[in-house]
Amino acid sequence: GQSLEQPSEVTAVEGAIVQINCTYQTSGFYGLSWYQQHDGGAPTFLSYNGLDGLEETGRFSSFLSRSDSYGYLLLQELQMKDSASYFCAVREAAGNKLTFGGGTRVLVKP
Amino acid sequence: ETGVTQSPTHLIKTRGQQVTLRCSSQSGHNTVSWYQQALGQGPQFIFQYYREEENGRGNFPPRFSGLQFPNYSSELNVNALELDDSALYLCASSSDGGRQDEQFFGPGTRLTVL
Repeated sequence: GQSLEQPSEVTAVEGAIVQINCTYQTSGFYGLSWYQQHDGGAPTFLSYNGLDGLEETGRFSSFLSRSDSYGYLLLQELQMKDSASYFCAVREAAGNKLTFGGGTRVLVKP
Repeated sequence: ETGVTQSPTHLIKTRGQQVTLRCSSQSGHNTVSWYQQALGQGPQFIFQYYREEENGRGNFPPRFSGLQFPNYSSELNVNALELDDSALYLCASSSDGGRQDEQFFGPGTRLTVL
């Protein structure tokens, strides 16, 4: 099975840059994805890395290194609306199961 | 385009009862997944249905079962409810042609077991 570790909480000010790391233990998976969830809301898809390297989508970028069993989500030019929980997730090659990390709560301060 | 909808939004049951939660997929989506999310935790994968067949299951006991209908809507059934089943239940839909692992989540059903 999969095990994904993320920091529980990160605090930063508006305009700053935040990196959320995700380390995992796995015997095989298709790729690493990231979701955002505001309090009381549904998770929304942010990005997917199937190959090693950096994927950029506007202010958000995501990175994967399979050799290091590591990925991260980079949030740039932080805005108050970015205050939310962020989850990394992997799809296991066996069983077609999508496993989420415990989530990182990002608090953006003025 | 209608998004993913779930019903009911809230539900209160007692131990031992049975519950059925419903999900309508986003238009054009043929895959539905169900998740259980406890407060402060990440979603836990229950199972996934693709074209009316279960094609993936997480570490949940058999009393968690599901169905997907020809219109790709779905039900999650939980028998013999336990206190620990209290959680937010999320369904998510996706399509073959969508971005890999891009799922569209519904607002969830908040289940409380007393």
